Amino acid sequence: DAGVTQSPTHLIKTRGQQVTLRCSPISGHKSVSWYQQVLGQGPQFIFQYYEKEERGRGNFPDRFSARQFPNYSSELNVNALLLGDSALYLCASSLRFLDRSKYLLFFGSGTQLSVL
Amino acid sequence: KNEVEQSPQNLTAQEGEFITINCSYSVGISALHWLQQHPGGGIVSLFMLSSGKKKHGRLIATINIQEKHSSLHITASHPRDSAVYICAVLSGAGGTSYGKLTFGQGTILTVHP
Repeated sequence: DAGVTQSPTHLIKTRGQQVTLRCSPISGHKSVSWYQQVLGQGPQFIFQYYEKEERGRGNFPDRFSARQFPNYSSELNVNALLLGDSALYLCASSLRFLDRSKYLLFFGSGTQLSVL
Repeated sequence: KNEVEQSPQNLTAQEGEFITINCSYSVGISALHWLQQHPGGGIVSLFMLSSGKKKHGRLIATINIQEKHSSLHITASHPRDSAVYICAVLSGAGGTSYGKLTFGQGTILTVHP
């Protein structure tokens, strides 16, 4: 079985542009969550989706949005890019939503976004 | 003060040494994750704990809910254990809330042969 896959692996954008990152969860997993990891820091929670609905949101501006599709894959969109959006964006999937504490998280390898 | 604090931030060890990484948190939690991140970004989930102790191979994770503290131990460390180890806590879950994960800043472990 394939693990969590993210695309693209690397991306270079300029300030003001928009970007879409994609994530395919492990087959059978219904929950996808997104994280931003700035170099040298731990990841920060952006969104959690379960059964195609937003179930949690971190402290990120409205420029960040996401959605989950009927096949449980997900997209993260960032509008009006700022230099500070440069980071590794990680996607994780789990069988159920995160508050069912017995379910492990499985992470993708991330998308490295550079904003110039 | 961060909600999740790890110590030490950097740790260097010789092969074979016993290693301990600590995680303290200030919020009520329903679960705590220990994660391993290798250069290049890939994150592997090592443990998820809500109480007590778990063991997998040379790795042992413990949690004390009353003291809001968890430890990750590595016995007989090996250079391939070199990675960043991250603690993350799940909080705010309950009722209609699905909770959120809050991460520590990570501990950079280097094991020399």
